Amino acid sequence: GAVVSQHPSRVICKSGTSVKIECRSLDFQATTMFWYRQFPKQSLMLMATSNEGSKATYEQGVEKDKFLINHASLTLSTLTVTSAHPEDSSFYICSASLWGDEQFFGPGTRLTVL
Amino acid sequence: DAKTTQPPSMDCAEGRAANLPCNHSTISGNEYVYWYRQIHSQGPQYIIHGLKNNETNEMASLIITEDRKSSTLILPHATLRDTAVYYCIVRVNKAAGNKLTFGGGTRVLVKP
Repeated sequence: GAVVSQHPSRVICKSGTSVKIECRSLDFQATTMFWYRQFPKQSLMLMATSNEGSKATYEQGVEKDKFLINHASLTLSTLTVTSAHPEDSSFYICSASLWGDEQFFGPGTRLTVL
Repeated sequence: DAKTTQPPSMDCAEGRAANLPCNHSTISGNEYVYWYRQIHSQGPQYIIHGLKNNETNEMASLIITEDRKSSTLILPHATLRDTAVYYCIVRVNKAAGNKLTFGGGTRVLVKP
């Protein structure tokens, strides 16, 4: 199947700093990428949907100014957590799909905000 | 997308078949049944999907009832590496936005 990578796999940062997470589709061009967040022992929650070259669509309750998403190319989307706080500590997972077809998930990025 | 109901957890014996049920009584005619699994601290992995016919691939089999209100994922010979959370999701295939809505899933523990 298609391969999606995320970088970094783990990040620890101080409260108030910004963190950028990259999501790359390695062997296919992704017209749509999705960002999910997962707290311990909970299910994945969709944060936003991003289509290449256009603004991301955020789910209700997700602050677009705090979670900046850029999908500048068909193989790369980035999620920037701005002014991170301890409550933003979570497992962030991206997925990628081509023309609304199957979603392929990245391995996830564990963010810890001190 | 239709809501699904799964048991929160189940134990399986290594080497035996694991049968994971899912109820989706409000499924619409154009909605597919998808199964994903998530091994601890990893991203979800696609397993299988179907519309109304039973499906089989190298990982599992999917049995969908005739009225499509429920389905069963079968892992034919469970191994310790199959320990994971299994998610049953129904959604319209190739729909705009292509969202996947994850429920609670079933936490499967395969025991030696």
